[in-house]
Amino acid sequence: DTGVSQNPRHKITKRGQNVTFRCDPISEHNRLYWYRQTLGQGPEFLTYFQNEAQLEKSRLLSDRFSAERPKGSFSTLEIQRTEQGDSAMYLCASSPRQGNSPLHFGNGTRLTVT
Amino acid sequence: GENVEQHPSTLSVQEGDSAVIKCTYSDSASNYFPWYKQELGKRPQLIIDIRSNVGEKKDQRIAVTLNKTAKHFSLHITETQPEDSAVYFCAASVGSSNTGKLIFGQGTTLQVKP
Repeated sequence: DTGVSQNPRHKITKRGQNVTFRCDPISEHNRLYWYRQTLGQGPEFLTYFQNEAQLEKSRLLSDRFSAERPKGSFSTLEIQRTEQGDSAMYLCASSPRQGNSPLHFGNGTRLTVT
Repeated sequence: GENVEQHPSTLSVQEGDSAVIKCTYSDSASNYFPWYKQELGKRPQLIIDIRSNVGEKKDQRIAVTLNKTAKHFSLHITETQPEDSAVYFCAASVGSSNTGKLIFGQGTTLQVKP
């Protein structure tokens, strides 16, 4: 399966700790997106990259969140000083080309902050 | 800001009946409208999409209709089967810049009773 890969699948951390998640998109996809999904809600946009450039970041995103895509391939999402409200599923998606096209989602990283 | 409203939040039908899920969007520049199916614990997967230059699209038992004037679109599933049971999300592209960013509805939990 050459789909979008995310690691880890689950992360449990204590409040105040830092966490980092990784996303490997489909190899020929130059766009990469991070979304957050809480129980009973649709995915909420966090940020997106075109190649290595971060082109948009949600206004709702705290300064504790940072994302990188240094070589235009995999991406990392870091949350510093985690809070219980950060508990959610973090989904990564990629898409192949210019314009609007389907997003291909990974299985997500489920974060639980205790 | 951009918003997508989805109704109903839950839908229960008998196997073989039809199911209809409706969404409205706020951004008049939206031009791409995908629908995703998410089974419990799994990634959202694209089931059908429609672009603003068409009013209807069909793929076997699934169809989507779009009314750009009213800014609403609907998913129709005919001859429902138990394996159609899942959470369905509508989404709309944002703005006219074709970034690929999507805003999602809140989801509809569909239960198909055998």
